[in-house]
Amino acid sequence: QVRLQESGPGLVKPSETLSLTCTVSDDSMDNYYWSWIRQAPGKGLELIGYIYYSGRTKYNPSLEKRITISVDTAKGQFSLRLSSVTAADSAVYYCATFSPTRAFNIWGRGTMVTVSS
Amino acid sequence: EIVLTQSPDTLSLSPGERATLSCRASQSVSSNYLAWYQQKPGQAPRLLIYAASSRATDIPDRFSGSGSGTDFTLTISRLEPEDFALYYCQQYNSSPETFGGGTKVEIK
Repeated sequence: QVRLQESGPGLVKPSETLSLTCTVSDDSMDNYYWSWIRQAPGKGLELIGYIYYSGRTKYNPSLEKRITISVDTAKGQFSLRLSSVTAADSAVYYCATFSPTRAFNIWGRGTMVTVSS
Repeated sequence: EIVLTQSPDTLSLSPGERATLSCRASQSVSSNYLAWYQQKPGQAPRLLIYAASSRATDIPDRFSGSGSGTDFTLTISRLEPEDFALYYCQQYNSSPETFGGGTKVEIK
């Protein structure tokens, strides 16, 4: 079974770029789409976007001007970059597998990112 | 985008009781690409149901999903202590894939 682990800074300054990596274990990366989802404190879930192993991406229109998702299959990792962050971007960021037929079926534990000076 | 509205916001029930959670979509969810997730405090969501009615791996059969089109239901037949949590529905038929606002199932 695939396991996912998020990593990256827990604190980012306003206007800077948030960068996170998700490391994939125990499976080949060509079986799923690889996604990022976030959850602001006390709030619901928001899809950020996802990427296929080929590099094809799909971004949430509300964020797409600021996000880049990339994949490195050789390293078994995919990454998120979110630019020009504000306090509203403070959230727990989850990486997850996405299947067009089985939804978001495997999740990482999540990593809290706070945007503050 | 498809907006999902979950009701009620909070469901207060006792262990052993039946829980019925509703998810209504602003437009039809084709192919019944509707999923349900459970989230406990401090944990990641866990997939319970996909394709409206298919249980995910290792999910007990007290959890069942039903519905089609714009109206979907998650039923927990007999609540166990570990079932008191937040539940989200999510559609993955139409981009962007969207989540409902959640229903909290709490102990009465």
